Amino acid sequence: NAGVTQTPKFRVLKTGQSMTLLCAQDMNHEYMYWYRQDPGMGLRLIHYSVGEGTTAKGEVPDGYNVSRLKKQNFLLGLESAAPSQTSVYFCASIRSGTGTYEQYFGPGTRLTVT
Amino acid sequence: AQKITQTQPGMFVQEKEAVTLDCTYDTSDQSYGLFWYKQPSSGEMIFLIYQGSYDEQNATEGRYSLNFQKARKSANLVISASQLGDSAMYFCAMLHSGSARQLTFGSGTQLTVLP
Repeated sequence: NAGVTQTPKFRVLKTGQSMTLLCAQDMNHEYMYWYRQDPGMGLRLIHYSVGEGTTAKGEVPDGYNVSRLKKQNFLLGLESAAPSQTSVYFCASIRSGTGTYEQYFGPGTRLTVT
Repeated sequence: AQKITQTQPGMFVQEKEAVTLDCTYDTSDQSYGLFWYKQPSSGEMIFLIYQGSYDEQNATEGRYSLNFQKARKSANLVISASQLGDSAMYFCAMLHSGSARQLTFGSGTQLTVLP
């Protein structure tokens, strides 16, 4: 099992450009999450999904959109990148059901917006 | 709203000694969970330990133990016999009680193990 993978690992964007980050998991997990991590801060939740075709806003959703067309994939989109979106982005997943609390994280995507 | 506070931005410990990383939380939920994650310089998030709010015994995983004091709303991580490889950022996180299972993270503690 590859676990949770993220594409790309690094990206540099100019202000106003758009891009999509891909998160894929092969563990058949129902729940998926996108976080951002800024220096000196913990991870903050951007958007999440509790199943295929569903998405919801987290703590810091502005400037981002997401889609979950397939159970194994969760896409994070930036329509018009801003320097404030320079961050490290983590995807995570967890399966539903009791006794399953650990979120499995991807390796992260380092995004710089100039 | 849930909140996690880690008041130690940085900590130093001598190799082979024990160290306690502090975490306090604020929630009005009766059912919740507390996690510790390790983030080495390579950047990945590594799950260390989990404590449920109804668990009566403190969680332990090898050299890691979680000192859970519910009345004081604290969930400190204790690392025994520190190793050089323990140098990393450590995050405390709370699991929301809702069905979506989001995590709220603290700001982290940078631990440095000295030889």
